[in-house]
Amino acid sequence: GAVVSQHPSRVICKSGTSVKIECRSLDFQATTMFWYRQFPKQSLMLMATSNEGSKATYEQGVEKDKFLINHASLTLSTLTVTSAHPEDSSFYICSARSRRQGVVFGSGTQLSVL
Amino acid sequence: QQQVKQSPQSLIVQKGGIPIINCAYENTAFDYFPWYQQFPGKGPALLIAIRPDVSEKKEGRFTISFNKSAKQFSLHIMDSQPGDSATYFCAASAPGGGNKLVFGAGTILRVKS
Repeated sequence: GAVVSQHPSRVICKSGTSVKIECRSLDFQATTMFWYRQFPKQSLMLMATSNEGSKATYEQGVEKDKFLINHASLTLSTLTVTSAHPEDSSFYICSARSRRQGVVFGSGTQLSVL
Repeated sequence: QQQVKQSPQSLIVQKGGIPIINCAYENTAFDYFPWYQQFPGKGPALLIAIRPDVSEKKEGRFTISFNKSAKQFSLHIMDSQPGDSATYFCAASAPGGGNKLVFGAGTILRVKS
């Protein structure tokens, strides 16, 4: 079945540093990928829609300069959390749409900013 | 504004019981209604999905019931097992937008053995 691979699964970084999270569709092409943020025991909050070859579309309240999204190919989107602070600590999840299986999610990245 | 309302927030059933999770929506443009299962520290996994042209869909032990006029849909888990203990999310999307999903708040299910 369709698989979305997300890497890394867990990252710990110091405050002020930048962290890059990768999201790959392994056996299908995805012109659109989505990035979500999830706090403990809460639902998924859509942060942005990543479009291959063009700028991402951000949801209201999400800082474009803090959460940089690049969708350089049909199988790869990256989310870079710039100048991370403790309040950015969260579970980040990407998804992509597969024709056969609908929207498929990655396994998530737990970001901890010290 | 929460576009998909999910209830209950948490649910405990005995093994073999049939937990039912309900969702309601307002946006009549929604035409795709999936349910996801999420274990701690993992991404959501698609369980089953339905479109408004059918009132019920079954896949294994999971059944979606859909009431278009009431704008409600629900997930039933038959013969629930302790391994079904997880958080369940309903979601909805409208045509266009590349399948941008709107999620319910989630239901934490615990199946007691």
